[in-house]
Amino acid sequence: SYVLTQPPSVSVAPGKTARITCGGNNIGSKSVHWYQQKPGQAPVLVIYYDSDRPSGIPERFSGSNSGNTATLTISRVEAGDEADYYCQVWDSSSDHPGVVFGGGTKLTVL
Amino acid sequence: QVQLQESGPGLVKPSGTLSLTCAVSGGSISSSNWWSWIRQPPGKGLEWIGEIYHSGSTNYNPSLKSRVTISVDKSKNQFSLKLSSVTAADTAVYYCARSRRGGNSGWFDPWGQGTLVTVSS
Repeated sequence: SYVLTQPPSVSVAPGKTARITCGGNNIGSKSVHWYQQKPGQAPVLVIYYDSDRPSGIPERFSGSNSGNTATLTISRVEAGDEADYYCQVWDSSSDHPGVVFGGGTKLTVL
Repeated sequence: QVQLQESGPGLVKPSGTLSLTCAVSGGSISSSNWWSWIRQPPGKGLEWIGEIYHSGSTNYNPSLKSRVTISVDKSKNQFSLKLSSVTAADTAVYYCARSRRGGNSGWFDPWGQGTLVTVSS
């Protein structure tokens, strides 16, 4: 089955740029979606189709995807961005297509 | 806009069946969307359980397929999850979500608030 690998944690100072990676075999050939989950809350979609932002998501959130790595970039990081972030793909390459999530990355704002 | 709300028992005995319902409001469950269940064990990551279309077509996570049944009730605008032969490993927050599809991909938006189900005697 398809595997997505995320770093367990990323730390960044306020006002700086955070980059959270999601690794997978030839992930650039798939569409990657990203979710933000704050403690005690349900996940919220922040990026879909690699780089599209749902309405209401700040422009500070952006995404890219190429080769074996997809990246969620958060510019001008704020304290309120501290959360867990998950990447997700739809894996149609196997006999049993389905959803795959990365293990999640905890973003800490220093 | 579409909102989802999970409901069901918060405690299930080992070897029993977990049953949850997701009520959809602000939109029709018969729209061109799939509807999913996703779970998250305490302190761990997300795991997709499966999805259903209003026609009754389903897709399940292969690792759970033998124990999972997802059904839809269009008259009540809701869909349901049954997970049989539960163990402590099935203790988790269970979320329902709308599955958006495009091309050869899919994503989840919005999500319900989630409901904690504990498996314990």
